Amino acid sequence: EDQVTQSPEALRLQEGESSSLNCSYTVSGLRGLFWYRQDPGKGPEFLFTLYSAGEEKEKERLKATLTKKESFLHITAPKPEDSATYLCARGIREKLTFGTGTRLTIIP
Amino acid sequence: GAGVSQSPSNKVTEKGKDVELRCDPISGHTALYWYRQSLGQGLEFLIYFQGNSAPDKSGLPSDRFSAERTGGSVSTLTIQRTQQEDSAVYLCASSFLPGQGFHEQFFGPGTRLTVL
Repeated sequence: EDQVTQSPEALRLQEGESSSLNCSYTVSGLRGLFWYRQDPGKGPEFLFTLYSAGEEKEKERLKATLTKKESFLHITAPKPEDSATYLCARGIREKLTFGTGTRLTIIP
Repeated sequence: GAGVSQSPSNKVTEKGKDVELRCDPISGHTALYWYRQSLGQGLEFLIYFQGNSAPDKSGLPSDRFSAERTGGSVSTLTIQRTQQEDSAVYLCASSFLPGQGFHEQFFGPGTRLTVL
């Protein structure tokens, strides 16, 4: 069964306090691991795609990494505008299977 | 350039009525996807189009749900005889040539459906 599990469900950080979000997934047939950001009332916004273990990608204060069974989204010195729900999804065949997300709140 | 657009943004209907939700994908994207997001739930895959055909309809919850795509562009998701459990945000996404590797999907803003 395709499964994507994200942790923690919610995370509150002080502005400038770095942390990591976790995404674990079943391995068979992986065709990409995707990270999205979703703001309330909006559709998910694409952030990163990772295809193979050891791959890393960065964008501003975010860095995504991939191992054989997990992906991490590292947030360095976050700002209040980084508050959002971060979704992880695995690609299999032509569809995405999503986790339930981590709701991140950055406190000024 | 224009992103994925969906209409209406909000739809309130009475139980038993039919509804149609529309999606305009990014120009040039050959693949189009429908997902559903219920309160507190992750995004749930419904159906996928490549061009005008739907190779994967496995996520449609019942035969009350159907979708079509015309001209390789606009898609309509139809829900017949709506039930309260159909209340959710319906999200559309598009991507470029999934047959040549798995490409990221770009999402629209969604249609919030409320069935009273």
